[in-house]
Amino acid sequence: DGGITQSPKYLFRKEGQNVTLSCEQNLNHDAMYWYRQDPGQGLRLIYYSQIVNDFQKGDIAEGYSVSREKKESFPLTVTSAQKNPTAFYLCASSIRAGGDDYGYTFGSGTRLTVV
Amino acid sequence: GESVGLHLPTLSVQEGDNSIINCAYSNSASDYFIWYKQESGKGPQFIIDIRSNMDKRQGQRVTVLLNKTVKHLSLQIAATQPGDSAVYFCAEKRGTPLVFGKGTRLSVIA
Repeated sequence: DGGITQSPKYLFRKEGQNVTLSCEQNLNHDAMYWYRQDPGQGLRLIYYSQIVNDFQKGDIAEGYSVSREKKESFPLTVTSAQKNPTAFYLCASSIRAGGDDYGYTFGSGTRLTVV
Repeated sequence: GESVGLHLPTLSVQEGDNSIINCAYSNSASDYFIWYKQESGKGPQFIIDIRSNMDKRQGQRVTVLLNKTVKHLSLQIAATQPGDSAVYFCAEKRGTPLVFGKGTRLSVIA
């Protein structure tokens, strides 16, 4: 079955650590996205990539980094510079940038908690 | 489950009633709109979409209405069921990427 897979489902980070969230899709979608979700704030865009080896900052990119070395994969690293990383992180993909063919397909999310 | 919408607007409806969830969008140039449903602890799922050259689109038990004059989008759910309980987001396309609204929590009373 085609889909988008995020792992792990739950992740715990100690203060000062970098952690990487995985996102893999087998939908042959060109574009991929990372969103952060906090209670009452909807979805906020961290980074997005329209094509391999290219990505753009979203609204809240500070403290995060990404790479897009393969079409299928778009990992997100939460660095120690992100002061309030506890949140629910969602990865999404779309056939092409813009999402005007049935929008985005979302993964099931990763819950990151600072301990 | 995941608490993704502790402070969201909430709509409570009786099981079997119709639900109407509203969304205001900001950009008159937006040409494509989508409604998503997000259940607790899961990622959003596509429900229905509509392009700006349409006023209404129907799916299975759902209808989306678009009023471009007042920049308003609504999602109507017929015969609401307990499984419809979730947070509902609208999204608009004005360039790349999509812009998401903050969401409305639908609570179905059995």
